[in-house]
Amino acid sequence: ETGVTQSPTHLIKTRGQQVTLRCSSQSGHNTVSWYQQALGQGPQFIFQYYREEENGRGNFPPRFSGLQFPNYSSELNVNALELDDSALYLCASSLEAGGGYEQYFGPGTRLTVT
Amino acid sequence: AQSVTQLDSQVPVFEEAPVELRCNYSSSVSVYLFWYVQYPNQGLQLLLKYLSGSTLVKGINGFEAEFNKSQTSFHLRKPSVHISDTAEYFCAVSDPVSGTYKYIFGTGTRLKVLA
Repeated sequence: ETGVTQSPTHLIKTRGQQVTLRCSSQSGHNTVSWYQQALGQGPQFIFQYYREEENGRGNFPPRFSGLQFPNYSSELNVNALELDDSALYLCASSLEAGGGYEQYFGPGTRLTVT
Repeated sequence: AQSVTQLDSQVPVFEEAPVELRCNYSSSVSVYLFWYVQYPNQGLQLLLKYLSGSTLVKGINGFEAEFNKSQTSFHLRKPSVHISDTAEYFCAVSDPVSGTYKYIFGTGTRLKVLA
């Protein structure tokens, strides 16, 4: 059974640019959540996708957007990058969106904005 | 809104000694509680979870946690730590009321096991 994978592992972008991060969910999982983890902080919820629809959003501006595809993989897009967007971005998948379903985390993508 | 407090940012402890990492959450309504571990440059790995039932939860690697509803706490314990337990530990709460079951994380506790 393949776990959650994320790509790329690292990337460096310039302020004002746009970036797309990718996540492949664990086999059989239909729910993907994205988190931002700034240095020295706990992960912060960005949004969740369930069966290709957004199923909740955290306190992030609209320039953070996402997609979920029919195979339940997902993308996180960030427009107009700011220096504060530098962080580890974590993707987590779960069997369903319901309560108590464990979220399985990928290794993360480290984004550096200069 | 839910919040999670991890009172200790760093906990140094000698190898083979016991350790307790503290976690408090803000609400007494029904919640699901989790402890995750993060090793350097890696994602999060689930140690244990509380959904319902017995308040003492046993997890992987010899860790356990006790859910205390009256004190809104979910402290993590291990009776004897190893060097390999050195890592960042995160407590998280899931709010079934929100509908998204997003996880709300604490700021983490860095466990440093000393030889």
